[in-house]
Amino acid sequence: AQSVSQHNHHVILSEAASLELGCNYSYGGTVNLFWYVQYPGQHLQLLLKYFSGDPLVKGIKGFEAEFIKSKFSFNLRKPSVQWSDTAEYFCAVGTYNQGGKLIFGQGTELSVKP
Amino acid sequence: KAGVTQTPRYLIKTRGQQVTLSCSPISGHRSVSWYQQTPGQGLQFLFEYFSETQRNKGNFPGRFSGRQFSNSRSEMNVSTLELGDSALYLCASSPEGPGTGLGELFFGEGSRLTVL
Repeated sequence: AQSVSQHNHHVILSEAASLELGCNYSYGGTVNLFWYVQYPGQHLQLLLKYFSGDPLVKGIKGFEAEFIKSKFSFNLRKPSVQWSDTAEYFCAVGTYNQGGKLIFGQGTELSVKP
Repeated sequence: KAGVTQTPRYLIKTRGQQVTLSCSPISGHRSVSWYQQTPGQGLQFLFEYFSETQRNKGNFPGRFSGRQFSNSRSEMNVSTLELGDSALYLCASSPEGPGTGLGELFFGEGSRLTVL
């Protein structure tokens, strides 16, 4: 069965620090990969997505993620975090033939100290 | 363009009761998915509907059911509520049809169910 693992449950950083959130998945076939963000009191929003092509994808608000197929990983990065990045981040995997079904990781809560 | 709308936003029920939650997708989106979000289990897939047909189903008991109407609006129903059903129920819509790959999911704000 497919599964998604996020390495960190809670990350605390100071403003301007660099961020890397790990995400690994288990599935042998072609996958679509997503990072969603949930700001406090708001709904889940798409941060970035990978379907095919360049494995380094850029999303909103300066976030980027790199798909490494050999490592089954899709880590999220940001060179310099801001207090407004405080949120919960979810990695998700979908497969071509499963329509709207996404498998989500457990989420990583990011707290950025001003 | 209006986003995904879920009603009600908050509700409190007692054990044994049933509940119906409603979701209006973004105009033009034909796929509607439902997820249960809890602190312990995270986001878990319930089911997905496309053109009034259930296309995918997660590992939830038969007490959880759903349907989709011809205008793509969807409802989910939970019967014989248990304390463990307390959760945020999220609806998401997508424009993607079968065989075209998985597009982005657009989520609503959720319906927070508390079972006492």
